Amino acid sequence: GAGVSQTPSNKVTEKGKYVELRCDPISGHTALYWYRQSLGQGPEFLIYFQGTGAADDSGLPNDRFFAVRPEGSVSTLKIQRTERGDSAVYLCASSLTNTREQYFGPGTRLTVT
Amino acid sequence: GQQLNQSPQSMFIQEGEDVSMNCTSSSIFNTWLWYKQDPGEGPVLLIALYKAGELTSNGRLTAQFGITRKDSFLNISASIPSDVGIYFCAGLNNAGNMLTFGGGTRLMVKP
Repeated sequence: GAGVSQTPSNKVTEKGKYVELRCDPISGHTALYWYRQSLGQGPEFLIYFQGTGAADDSGLPNDRFFAVRPEGSVSTLKIQRTERGDSAVYLCASSLTNTREQYFGPGTRLTVT
Repeated sequence: GQQLNQSPQSMFIQEGEDVSMNCTSSSIFNTWLWYKQDPGEGPVLLIALYKAGELTSNGRLTAQFGITRKDSFLNISASIPSDVGIYFCAGLNNAGNMLTFGGGTRLMVKP
């Protein structure tokens, strides 16, 4: 079946602009996660959704970052007033339940100029 | 916060050789996962380990969940060129809401 998909695959934006990154999880997966991966490092947790609610947003770096999952499927990660330090690959993952293995999408590479 | 130490950071081996990499943690995890990531792609799940002491194989890959629940290793037998990539270990916390990743092992295979 279809895996996790993310759009866009690449996004270049100017400092100070607003961006939205989209994630389509595997059908039927109730848990959805966002991670951020900087060059040469492992992914770092940002936020976890169980259904429509953000069950854990402790990894969001500051209040410029926000994510939603209004219908319990597709999720959007929103970044306001982007900064150059936000440049990274943003990865989305989903799992059948929160105790099972997580499957990752291809990521969105965000570049803030 | 929790950290996973993964070693070695990189390996350059001859095709056909066996490979071993490991991951240690200062904290206990109840689930360990091993992923492989190719350039421009997301991590792909290789093996999941759920019980301390568990030894699991997936083709040429074998992974073990340490008995202390603070470590895991991954072995690749008879390496081939397509094994090239970055391998990450990851621990799932008790609540099951986040993975903590190691820094990765970059594997290079010489044909």
